[in-house]
Amino acid sequence: QKEVEQNSGPLSVPEGAIASLNCTYSDRGSQSFFWYRQYSGKSPELIMSIYSNGDKEDGRFTAQLNKASQYVSLLIRDSQPSDSATYLCAVNRVNRDDKIIFGKGTRLHILP
Amino acid sequence: NAGVTQTPKFQVLKTGQSMTLQCAQDMNHNSMYWYRQDPGMGLRLIYYSASEGTTDKGEVPNGYNVSRLNKREFSLRLESAAPSQTSVYFCASRETGGQPQHFGDGTRLSIL
Repeated sequence: QKEVEQNSGPLSVPEGAIASLNCTYSDRGSQSFFWYRQYSGKSPELIMSIYSNGDKEDGRFTAQLNKASQYVSLLIRDSQPSDSATYLCAVNRVNRDDKIIFGKGTRLHILP
Repeated sequence: NAGVTQTPKFQVLKTGQSMTLQCAQDMNHNSMYWYRQDPGMGLRLIYYSASEGTTDKGEVPNGYNVSRLNKREFSLRLESAAPSQTSVYFCASRETGGQPQHFGDGTRLSIL
């Protein structure tokens, strides 16, 4: 089992709809979770950090964390064509070795 | 405010040649990381340094060496380049304690 798993996609969502991206992780000791957006040919940029169970909202983005089920998700409301990118989930084992492990990323395509 | 600076941005090597990728950050961060990104593979951790004077292996360390020269600089060395090391290399830094990473613009390396 890979440490961090994401569906590679592509995930196609109509403009204005909600895009839902999911990520599962294997290490129960993980404590910090991040979502990054990466445009083609560019470096990853941070969208959301989440550290405790529940929802965290920032504008059109909502991150959800469920440590018991070992998954973290990202919802994008009112999807825009500019949201078309690859979304990377990253997991940090803070109290073990401080590694940050990334999933392979999900390609999101917003249909105009 | 430069953030994380990587040099060079592009490089072409022949098999067997050596080179060092440079990374410097001006945010006074404790932790620094080297990742490689191949198509469809997300970001894979090569080496990281949780603090000045320490380095640890990541997921794919074979064929690489690193040096944490001081708090600002973290270099990645390929002693004898192989075509399998053709990739985009990203350097990242962050404060410790579960904070998110800041990424450089990447080095695109081709090995013929």
